[in-house]
Amino acid sequence: DQQVKQNSPSLSVQEGRISILNCDYTNSMFDYFLWYKKYPAEGPTFLISISSIKDKNEDGRFTVFLNKSAKHLSLHIVPSQPGDSAVYFCAASAKVDSGAGSYQLTFGKGTKLSVIP
Amino acid sequence: DSGVTQTPKHLITATGQRVTLRCSPRSGDLSVYWYQQSLDQGLQFLIHYYNGEERAKGNILERFSAQQFPDLHSELNLSSLELGDSALYFCASSVVHLRDGYTFGSGTRLTVV
Repeated sequence: DQQVKQNSPSLSVQEGRISILNCDYTNSMFDYFLWYKKYPAEGPTFLISISSIKDKNEDGRFTVFLNKSAKHLSLHIVPSQPGDSAVYFCAASAKVDSGAGSYQLTFGKGTKLSVIP
Repeated sequence: DSGVTQTPKHLITATGQRVTLRCSPRSGDLSVYWYQQSLDQGLQFLIHYYNGEERAKGNILERFSAQQFPDLHSELNLSSLELGDSALYFCASSVVHLRDGYTFGSGTRLTVV
């Protein structure tokens, strides 16, 4: 049962245009959502996050939108740059119990973004 | 440098063998998570330790085990290795609250031949 889904394995965008990466989730207990970026031969790096009580968070060229009723979030990159070419993972956080250190992230399978110069 | 150190970076071993992957978390982080990334797969959660205690298990095989030591470094032990265990194994660490998510190491690439 895949609780976090990224239905597009890949996306190609022209440099300067907008990139939109989508993510759907099924678990209503998720309370925090994150996007990670991964280059080949490197570990994923944190990009941007959003709390479930918000519907938008912006950081420079990156904006994440959350639609709780649709259980859908998206990452917008404007303008897209060749250096943005990477695999992007959507992740969702839930508290698994009441103890300390009990958050756990569930990741989607990733979307490979290619920004064409 | 993310602050999370994984060793070794590459490992080639034969089927049936046992290997140990090591992770040193970022300074101050009490949680350590292990993930497996196979070809064309996402990040599959294996196991989570917090301050030396196992907190959660994901899709971890019985042939795999892990522990977190008093100095907070963690080891992932993989035994009776099979060809299908070939993958990237990532370790991540975090503080208690997840506002900045996990910090990942650069991974260990395991090849079973």
